[in-house]
Amino acid sequence: EADIYQTPRYLVIGTGKKITLECSQTMGHDKMYWYQQDPGMELHLIHYSYGVNSTEKGDLSSESTVSRIRTEHFPLTLESARPSHTSQYLCATRGWDSYEQYFGPGTRLTVT
Amino acid sequence: ILNVEQSPQSLHVQEGDSTNFTCSFPSSNFYALHWYRWETAKSPEALFVMTLNGDEKKKGRISATLNTKEGYSYLYIKGSQPEDSATYLCAQGAQKLVFGQGTRLTINP
Repeated sequence: EADIYQTPRYLVIGTGKKITLECSQTMGHDKMYWYQQDPGMELHLIHYSYGVNSTEKGDLSSESTVSRIRTEHFPLTLESARPSHTSQYLCATRGWDSYEQYFGPGTRLTVT
Repeated sequence: ILNVEQSPQSLHVQEGDSTNFTCSFPSSNFYALHWYRWETAKSPEALFVMTLNGDEKKKGRISATLNTKEGYSYLYIKGSQPEDSATYLCAQGAQKLVFGQGTRLTINP
């Protein structure tokens, strides 16, 4: 079954640690996205990719970075976590023939 | 950045009642309007994607309409059931979606 996976689902980590949030998909989609949702706020696009070796920043400025070495994987990295990074991070994909985006279950990150 | 507004922010409805809520968006440079249902601890689930002015979509007891000229969309739920309890998100865009804050719907048995 085609799906989108995110790990970990929940993470509590101390300030200054390096974090990588994983997103992988079996949808076969070229386009992938990272959205961030601060508590009580809207989802905001922070990164997107149209394919391998393609990455762009979204409308909301983020200190995170992404890479797209393989079609299936779109990991997000924070080099030095801070409490302001506490948020929920959702990964999504989109096929070439539709505007519809498919979301993963999200990672809820807490930085203490 | 576009502003997408949803109202109300939260809604409590009695089981069996029908309800509706609104998404408003800038009408310029319109590409597509998306509705998602997001249950706690689950992935947001796409309900509808609408692109044309006057579009009406239906899935079971849920339907949606779109007015791109005046910049609004309505989502209707007929005969609410407890499983309809969720946050309903709307978003505008094609590649880069801009989301509203959502309407949190609670169905009281």
